[in-house]
Amino acid sequence: GNSVTQMEGPVTLSEEAFLTINCTYTATGYPSLFWYVQYPGEGLQLLLKATKADDKGSNKGFEATYRKETTSFHLEKGSVQVSDSAVYFCALTLLNNDMRFGAGTRLTVKP
Amino acid sequence: DTGVSQDPRHKITKRGQNVTFRCDPISEHNRLYWYRQTLGQGPEFLTYFQNEAQLEKSRLLSDRFSAERPKGSFSTLEIQRTEQGDSAMYLCASSLGPQTGETQYFGPGTRLLVL
Repeated sequence: GNSVTQMEGPVTLSEEAFLTINCTYTATGYPSLFWYVQYPGEGLQLLLKATKADDKGSNKGFEATYRKETTSFHLEKGSVQVSDSAVYFCALTLLNNDMRFGAGTRLTVKP
Repeated sequence: DTGVSQDPRHKITKRGQNVTFRCDPISEHNRLYWYRQTLGQGPEFLTYFQNEAQLEKSRLLSDRFSAERPKGSFSTLEIQRTEQGDSAMYLCASSLGPQTGETQYFGPGTRLLVL
């Protein structure tokens, strides 16, 4: 079936460190791929998305590239801040748009 | 644009009682989705509407669950005869239309605790 597997957490980094959160997918067809973020006490917010192969989504210094050959959509940021501490979810949709999420990766950034 | 709102934000009930949650999507959004999220997991799809029509239901949605969107605006999710396993966060999302890759905008959720 259609599913997303993302890097297990929690992940703890020091401020200004490089961040990678791995995400791979299994899908019949050509999914659209998303990263959502959930800050403490808040709802899910779209961080970035990509709708076709080789597209790069970017926002707030975060980037992810849709890699069809490796069925991946890894999230990266060059220099994390304390304010990036949150839970990050990778997700996909297909034609009917019901969204399939990974289990989430909790990131803690220490000053 | 006030975003997706959900009511109530928290609900505590006893096993066997019925509960109803409400979701108000972003105005002019045609699609409305319901998801369930348990602790430490990502949200799981339950059902979605295109205007007032319920187009898909997950196998997770047992017969005790029913959702409506009578006028194509707000939606309600009712759980009858609640069980402890129903304890979770219930999330609502909306999107503008059915185009592939549409962004879904999520509400803050209703946290249900069944005692």
